[in-house]
Amino acid sequence: EAQVTQNPRYLITVTGKKLTVTCSQNMNHEYMSWYRQDPGLGLRQIYYSMNVEVTDKGDVPEGYKVSRKEKRNFPLILESPSPNQTSLYFCASSFPYNPGEQYFGPGTRLTVT
Amino acid sequence: ILNVEQSPQSLHVQEGDSTNFTCSFPSSNFYALHWYRWETAKSPEALFVMTLNGDEKKKGRISATLNTKEGYSYLYIKGSQPEDSATYLCAFNDYKLSFGAGTTVTVRA
Repeated sequence: EAQVTQNPRYLITVTGKKLTVTCSQNMNHEYMSWYRQDPGLGLRQIYYSMNVEVTDKGDVPEGYKVSRKEKRNFPLILESPSPNQTSLYFCASSFPYNPGEQYFGPGTRLTVT
Repeated sequence: ILNVEQSPQSLHVQEGDSTNFTCSFPSSNFYALHWYRWETAKSPEALFVMTLNGDEKKKGRISATLNTKEGYSYLYIKGSQPEDSATYLCAFNDYKLSFGAGTTVTVRA
């Protein structure tokens, strides 16, 4: 089944404790992206990647890191999470390298206390 | 950050009625305009990707038009059904994707 998977789906953590949210797709998509969703603000793009080893900042990259070492995986890293990073996070992928219709993962609900 | 605006923020529709709502976006550096449907507790699902001025797309009872010169797109729902209740998002594509805040549609039976 073609899909985008994210793990974990839910996470409660404390300020400053490094965490990684994994994202994997099995559709051989070049383009992958991370978004956060906050009430009243819609989806905001954090980082995107047009292909392996190519990443770029979206609109809200502060406090986040990403890497794209393999085509299928695009982890999101929070080196020192803060409460303002409490949000619902979505990973998405598309084919080809420029963003076609996005296939979204199931979302990760992150709470930072 | 690009300004992508959707209006209205929410609307209530009687079952069987038709409705439409707007997405406004910058008219310069246009590459594509996306529409997504987002049901509560699910992930957004793609409806349309529109690239050409004057484009019209249709999927069942939902259709969309695009005017890149003036920077707007309309989404239409014909004969609304309760299952059409969702938040509809548009996104401006210039290699990054900038989403509007969405229009939440509630269809009353």
